[in-house]
Amino acid sequence: DTGVSQDPRHKITKRGQNVTFRCDPISEHNRLYWYRQTLGQGPEFLTYFQNEAQLEKSRLLSDRFSAERPKGSFSTLEIQRTEQGDSAMYLCASSLVGIGLAGYNEQFFGPGTRLTVL
Amino acid sequence: AQKVTQAQTEISVVEKEDVTLDCVYETRDTTYYLFWYKQPPSGELVFLIRRNSFDEQNEISGRYSWNFQKSTSSFNFTITASQVVDSAVYFCALRRMDSSYKLIFGSGTRLLVRP
Repeated sequence: DTGVSQDPRHKITKRGQNVTFRCDPISEHNRLYWYRQTLGQGPEFLTYFQNEAQLEKSRLLSDRFSAERPKGSFSTLEIQRTEQGDSAMYLCASSLVGIGLAGYNEQFFGPGTRLTVL
Repeated sequence: AQKVTQAQTEISVVEKEDVTLDCVYETRDTTYYLFWYKQPPSGELVFLIRRNSFDEQNEISGRYSWNFQKSTSSFNFTITASQVVDSAVYFCALRRMDSSYKLIFGSGTRLLVRP
């Protein structure tokens, strides 16, 4: 399977615990995005990486959230001291951006990690 | 401000009916892209179409067609002869031409096609 993969698919945790999600993008893709989707809403942008550099973070990404992409390949999203309001689907997407590809940059999404905070 | 509105929260049709999903967007940019994605129950967003703001030609792909009207800031999606497998949540999204290429999604329309 050469698509975007995410692990775990489901995570149930208690309020106050830390959780970490992993995203493996399509191998040649240099961009990686994280989105959050709450029930009945569309995905909302959280952050993105170009290779290993984190270039933008949304205001939705509070201090309890941190994302990394250490070698420009997989990425992790950690939430510290989880709150019930963090319950959502966390989606990862990857794309290839480069000279000559302007305007394309299709984002391919993974299946998401559904987080439930009790 | 950039915004995408999908006013139809849920639509239910009987198989073989045609159905149109509405999308209205707001942007001050002159250049932008519009997208439609499908989200089946499995959760993964599936890319359906991308449209450049300079290209107002309608597009047809099999049973799917898209009507882009810049004058009304709308990018509507029609499924002809709907099938049960079309049941999913459909999202319209806007992408600015800034360096992030991040997507701004509408709240989605849940389509239920009954046999």
